[in-house]
Amino acid sequence: EDKVVQSPLSLVVHEGDTVTLNCSYEVTNFRSLLWYKQEKKAPTFLFMLTSSGIEKKSGRLSSILDKKELFSILNITATQTGDSAVYLCAVEGAGSYQLTFGKGTKLSVIP
Amino acid sequence: NAGVMQNPRHLVRRRGQEARLRCSPMKGHSHVYWYRQLPEEGLKFMVYLQKENIIDESGMPKERFSAEFPKEGPSILRIQQVVRGDSAAYFCASSPDRLTSGANVLTFGAGSRLTVL
Repeated sequence: EDKVVQSPLSLVVHEGDTVTLNCSYEVTNFRSLLWYKQEKKAPTFLFMLTSSGIEKKSGRLSSILDKKELFSILNITATQTGDSAVYLCAVEGAGSYQLTFGKGTKLSVIP
Repeated sequence: NAGVMQNPRHLVRRRGQEARLRCSPMKGHSHVYWYRQLPEEGLKFMVYLQKENIIDESGMPKERFSAEFPKEGPSILRIQQVVRGDSAAYFCASSPDRLTSGANVLTFGAGSRLTVL
C-alpha cells in the first residue's frame, strides 16, 4: 500500500523565517510527487516532481526530490502571513489514477 | 475559467437521510475524481470517472456510496442512509486527458462539507 508521511505536522514561525517541510513516501512504481497548498478552500497546485535532484522553484517556494532516499522537501524563504496554510504532499504510482496524500503540515506564520 | 465548481458547500443531514454532492469539472477537463478528507486526516481517494464511465472505484465504501458522471451535467457523489461517520469534507478534482497532458495534475474544487447529525 502506498504511503506518505509528512513532518512536522504543524509549525509556527515568524514572518521572514525560512521553513523546510518534509515528505517521505513509499509507492509502487513511482511516477510523480506533488505539493499542494490548502487554505480554507481548494488545495492549489504548487509543484510536480518526477526526477531526482532537479529543483523546482516558484518565487519564494522551491522543492526538490530524492528518489533514492524516497523523500522530498518544500522550502519557503522569507515567509509571509499569507503563507499560512496546510501543505500537502502526494505521490502517484505508474499505472494508477490515484494520488496518495500525506496528512499535511500546518504552517502558521505570525507577524 | 470558473475552475472546478462544487455544490453545496455545506450540507447538513440527519442520520438515515441521503446526501447528494455535485461537481462540475474545469472547462476542457474530461476526468473527475472524488476525494474525502476526514478531520486530522489526509485526502483519501474514492473514485475516478470519465463521462458515463467509472474507471476506478477502489476507494469507495462498498455500501451506500455511489458516483456518476453523466453525458450531460455534473458528476454526482451520492451517499444513502448517512451515518455520523460520513461527516467529512468531500473534494472533487478534475484533470485533462492524460494522453494529452502526460501528467496527473489535479485541479481541486473548494469541497463540500457534510455534517451528519
